[in-house]
Amino acid sequence: KNEVEQSPQNLTAQEGEFITINCSYSVGISALHWLQQHPGGGIVSLFMLSSGKKKHGRLIATINIQEKHSSLHITASHPRDSAVYICAVRSGSGGSNYKLTFGKGTLLTVNP
Amino acid sequence: NAGVTQTPKFQVLKTGQSMTLQCAQDMNHNSMYWYRQDPGMGLRLIYYSASEGTTDKGEVPNGYNVSRLNKREFSLRLESAAPSQTSVYFCASSLMETQYFGPGTRLLVL
Repeated sequence: KNEVEQSPQNLTAQEGEFITINCSYSVGISALHWLQQHPGGGIVSLFMLSSGKKKHGRLIATINIQEKHSSLHITASHPRDSAVYICAVRSGSGGSNYKLTFGKGTLLTVNP
Repeated sequence: NAGVTQTPKFQVLKTGQSMTLQCAQDMNHNSMYWYRQDPGMGLRLIYYSASEGTTDKGEVPNGYNVSRLNKREFSLRLESAAPSQTSVYFCASSLMETQYFGPGTRLLVL
């Protein structure tokens, strides 16, 4: 079973700060996902990565396959970024099995 | 498109009662999933269905059963609820990699 560890568990920032959330996993993967869970509970997918880097607006996700590590960066953070950020991995070599293993999440609070 | 819908939003049960959580998606996705989310723990897979007519156990299947009624609907049944099943339950669906989540059902078992 793949173990997914996120750090930090909790993060408080001031508006405008650069945020980094880390994710490490124990076993080789075919894909890594970053998701966002809003305070109301809804969960949305932000990124899916298998290599390199992806950018969407102020969010940047990177992955280092050799080091089994991914980071999610938020530039110019805003109070509306306050949420739980969840890392999830799809183990193995792919195929038609899309089961994910989830980290416990990082609670981000951005103060104005 | 409604995406993934779940009913009910909130439910209180007494120990030993049964209930079915309903999930439906209108995105023509093949795969559907049931998760539970507990404080301090990541989402944990209860059951999944890779395609219509197939279901498989996930990480925490004990105490639950599922039915993939058709391509749209995937229900989760608790035959005899226990306090340990107090949780928030999420249904999700996917065509390939990206999973789309329902709004969740909060279940309290007394």
